[in-house]
Amino acid sequence: DQQVKQNSPSLSVQEGRISILNCDYTNSMFDYFLWYKKYPAEGPTFLISISSIKDKNEDGRFTVFLNKSAKHLSLHIVPSQPGDSAVYFCAARVEYGNKLVFGAGTILRVKS
Amino acid sequence: KAGVTQTPRYLIKTRGQQVTLSCSPISGHRSVSWYQQTPGQGLQFLFEYFSETQRNKGNFPGRFSGRQFSNSRSEMNVSTLELGDSALYLCASTSGTSVETQYFGPGTRLLVL
Repeated sequence: DQQVKQNSPSLSVQEGRISILNCDYTNSMFDYFLWYKKYPAEGPTFLISISSIKDKNEDGRFTVFLNKSAKHLSLHIVPSQPGDSAVYFCAARVEYGNKLVFGAGTILRVKS
Repeated sequence: KAGVTQTPRYLIKTRGQQVTLSCSPISGHRSVSWYQQTPGQGLQFLFEYFSETQRNKGNFPGRFSGRQFSNSRSEMNVSTLELGDSALYLCASTSGTSVETQYFGPGTRLLVL
């Protein structure tokens, strides 16, 4: 039972353009959502997060949007840079604690 | 500050064997979580230890077990290995106050033949 889904296995974007990565979830008890970036041979690194009581959080080139009614969140990267090429994971937390439910990941390729 | 370290980085085992993986968290971090990453499945939560006690558990069979020592180092053990256990096993540590400060190690790549 995949509670967090990233339906696009990969995304290719031109340098300087916007990258939009999407994530859908089914569990209404998730209270916190996070995005992680992963390079080959490295562990995932935290990118940005959003509480379920917010609908937008911004950090530099990265913005996460949350639509609770649609159970959908998205990560916008503007402008995209070649160094952004990596696997992006969406994750969600069920209430208090450190247990995270991850999506399968989206491979982002930014072409120069 | 040194990051999360995992040993060994690569491991090849055969079906039926057992394996122990080790994770050393960032100094001062008391929570250690373990995840299994397989292609197409993303990361799946195995368990979390905090102050030597299992605080959370995922939906994995009893062949997967773990423990945490008084210095916060953690080990996970998989007994009676199956081909499907081939995966990247990731460990993450946090001070316990915020999931955003969860730092992942590079993982141990396990191949079961």
